[in-house]
Amino acid sequence: QVQLVQSGAEVKKPGASVKVSCQSSGYTFTNYDINWVRQATGQGPEWMGWMNPNSGATGYSQKFQGRVTMTRSTSISTAYLELSDLRSDDTAVYYCARSGFGTGVNFDYWGQGTLVTVTS
Amino acid sequence: DIQMTQSPSSLSASVGDRVTITCRASQSISTYLNWYQQKPGKAPKLLIYAASTLQSGVPSRFSGSGSGTDFTLTISSLQPEDFAAYYCQQSYNTRAFGPGTRVEIK
Repeated sequence: QVQLVQSGAEVKKPGASVKVSCQSSGYTFTNYDINWVRQATGQGPEWMGWMNPNSGATGYSQKFQGRVTMTRSTSISTAYLELSDLRSDDTAVYYCARSGFGTGVNFDYWGQGTLVTVTS
Repeated sequence: DIQMTQSPSSLSASVGDRVTITCRASQSISTYLNWYQQKPGKAPKLLIYAASTLQSGVPSRFSGSGSGTDFTLTISSLQPEDFAAYYCQQSYNTRAFGPGTRVEIK
């Protein structure tokens, strides 16, 4: 069965960086995009960007351009999200989600979420 | 950027009620619209994709319609497990979510 398993909770200081991992199993990793979505407490989901694990191509939400990097290791079917220059309003649960490529996609499988807390 | 709005932002309903949630895009997105359900502490769950196609395993009381800029999610007979937040998502260019509708018990 398809599974996306994320790394554990993180506590970071303002200005630091965080790297969250998402290990995929149960399907061919390079056949689907990995998307990253975050959700602050009481707020709706916020899409951050996508990555094509086959080519490494990425597409980032304008809001996060310059602060976000999405990478992968195909040998271990794992995607990574790195967010730099953290601020208190980056405190949220971060999810990875699988989708098809291009236009008209949907997020059919999700990771369990990783809580990132930014506090001094 | 395409802006997504949802209405209402919350509603109270009883078991057995018919519930309709609306999602509107600031410009035409054809049928590139998905619906998700989210319960507290859980990841969103895909209910409907391409505006009206029911995801495998989702009960048939859920249905979606619309194209262009106006879309609806309908729950034909609300069940206890349906009390949750519902989000639309456009996949026309970015993959942004709407602000959500919270369905609460009356």
